[in-house]
Amino acid sequence: AQSVTQLDSQVPVFEEAPVELRCNYSSSVSVYLFWYVQYPNQGLQLLLKYLSGSTLVKGINGFEAEFNKSQTSFHLRKPSVHISDTAEYFCAVSESAGGTSYGKLTFGQGTILTVHP
Amino acid sequence: EAQVTQNPRYLITVTGKKLTVTCSQNMNHEYMSWYRQDPGLGLRQIYYSMNVEVTDKGDVPEGYKVSRKEKRNFPLILESPSPNQTSLYFCASSLDPEITEAFFGQGTRLTVV
Repeated sequence: AQSVTQLDSQVPVFEEAPVELRCNYSSSVSVYLFWYVQYPNQGLQLLLKYLSGSTLVKGINGFEAEFNKSQTSFHLRKPSVHISDTAEYFCAVSESAGGTSYGKLTFGQGTILTVHP
Repeated sequence: EAQVTQNPRYLITVTGKKLTVTCSQNMNHEYMSWYRQDPGLGLRQIYYSMNVEVTDKGDVPEGYKVSRKEKRNFPLILESPSPNQTSLYFCASSLDPEITEAFFGQGTRLTVV
């Protein structure tokens, strides 16, 4: 079965500093990878996704992530954060056909990013 | 506009009183799921459905029921809610089983007292 681990439950950072939110996954088949953001008291919004092709994926709001198959990681990065990036971020994975978790998204535990002025 | 609609958005109920959270999508998607979100645990799948009359358990199905009588609707039923079902619930739909693009509802915040 697939699983996702977000290595940091909370990440505090100052405004305009770079940030990296870490995500590792495990699966026995090919995967598709996602990052979602949840602003306070709101639903989930897709930031970016990796389906195939280039391992560097660019998303909305200046975020990007790199798929590293050998390290089974999909870390999220932003070179300069804003106060408005304060939110909870979720890494998620789904499996291609043949996987035991076919048909579902598996989420990590979430990382709360707090940007301080 | 493509959307997944959940109702109600907020619900406070008492232990043991049956309730239903509705979910409807207007994209003709075959695949629909229910998730619950709890602090420190992320989102966990409760049930999913691959088509009309086809449903299966997710990771945390205990205490929940679902039905899929029509393609667009996928209600979540709590026959006898308990306080440990207090949570934020999300319904999602997708066109394919790989869930290459998931559409989420706005969430239902349920409190069971």
